[in-house]
Amino acid sequence: DAKTTQPTSMDCAEGRAANLPCNHSTISGNEYVYWYRQIHSQGPQYIIHGLKNNETNEMASLIITEDRKSSTLILPHATLRDTAVYYCIVRAVIQGAQKLVFGQGTRLTINP
Amino acid sequence: GAGVSQSPSNKVTEKGKDVELRCDPISGHTALYWYRQRLGQGLEFLIYFQGNSAPDKSGLPSDRFSAERTGESVSTLTIQRTQQEDSAVYLCASSQDYYSPLHFGNGTRLTVT
Repeated sequence: DAKTTQPTSMDCAEGRAANLPCNHSTISGNEYVYWYRQIHSQGPQYIIHGLKNNETNEMASLIITEDRKSSTLILPHATLRDTAVYYCIVRAVIQGAQKLVFGQGTRLTINP
Repeated sequence: GAGVSQSPSNKVTEKGKDVELRCDPISGHTALYWYRQRLGQGLEFLIYFQGNSAPDKSGLPSDRFSAERTGESVSTLTIQRTQQEDSAVYLCASSQDYYSPLHFGNGTRLTVT
């Protein structure tokens, strides 16, 4: 089972920040939070991951609450090309625990 | 650089036939994964290879499904006696090691008629 809960769909205006929430209340101490997205007819694309500190890269920022039970992926200036299904996944990074379990994700639509 | 390459991109086969799907991972990536995605559904884990360790086959849905990997290079997923419920996109991913992010190919769309 996917150990995360995400809204089924969200809309955001082009140029605005898109904030995608994820609940992972049963996360364990050795589990990281990963975000991937899947644009129609393509394979999933890695976005960002983190353990407990906030992370930022060229694609997005990841904000993890202090208790690590939830997180938010932020796309600072959404474009039409950011329309995709976004998956939040928790994954233990230890040898032998490799399966990424994908849930249904959030379908994000960026509107012009 | 080159990403994960899968072939064919599309495959139509008749029920009962065997099919082979190929995955060329990113060079140097020791870990390789197969997933299946039915229309409108999420990704379903099938199998995982890591270096010379025994593969994790826990996601294979039946004994009609098998996969092999040659060293740390190409992998083939074989489906014997295909059924209509096998119709899906089969996705391959590789990662540099067991703790690095996965890089996915664009999949093989399998249609069983």
